[in-house]
Amino acid sequence: AQTVTQSQPEMSVQEAETVTLSCTYDTSESNYYLFWYKQPPSRQMILVIRQEAYKQQNATENRFSVNFQKAAKSFSLKISDSQLGDTAMYFCAFMKKSGSRLTFGEGTQLTVNP
Amino acid sequence: EAGVAQSPRYKIIEKRQSVAFWCNPISGHATLYWYQQILGQGPKLLIQFQNNGVVDDSQLPKDRFSAERLKGVDSTLKIQPAKLEDSAVYLCASRDSGRANTEAFFGQGTRLTVV
Repeated sequence: AQTVTQSQPEMSVQEAETVTLSCTYDTSESNYYLFWYKQPPSRQMILVIRQEAYKQQNATENRFSVNFQKAAKSFSLKISDSQLGDTAMYFCAFMKKSGSRLTFGEGTQLTVNP
Repeated sequence: EAGVAQSPRYKIIEKRQSVAFWCNPISGHATLYWYQQILGQGPKLLIQFQNNGVVDDSQLPKDRFSAERLKGVDSTLKIQPAKLEDSAVYLCASRDSGRANTEAFFGQGTRLTVV
């Protein structure tokens, strides 16, 4: 079974600064997908960024980028130029390539301060 | 493209009562998930459908929870009888399983309070 661990329950950052959220996972699979989802108070889960395990290049989406270390089973999210609207709960998630369940971590509550 | 629709948004019931939640996935999405999210925790899978067949219900408390997906489109999740510990947000998500790397799209969830 796959497990996903987010060791930072809460983090805060000043507006316009950079913050990194950590995620580690455990799996015996060699082919899989990793995701970061954002959940604001509205409860709507929104995809932030995804990474395919067979791709060595780290994914980037505008201000969001990941540091994917496959051997270490680490998948951190870096948010640059933090904005007030980035305040939300962030979840790291794992999915086998066969498209089975999404397994989520416990989440990191990020607060961006003005 | 319309998103995943869920109703109701909120529900308060007394313990031992029954409740049902409804989900309408994105059109054409064969995979449908129901997740339970207890306050302060990550979502945990209750059941996964592929079209109208169950793929994974290993974490569904089958003595009180049931789910169906008739005609492979809409889905309902039922709890009978409810317990206090069932208080949570119930999230429905769908995914286009025909494309290997697509993400799951989530509805806004139903917040259930059992008193």
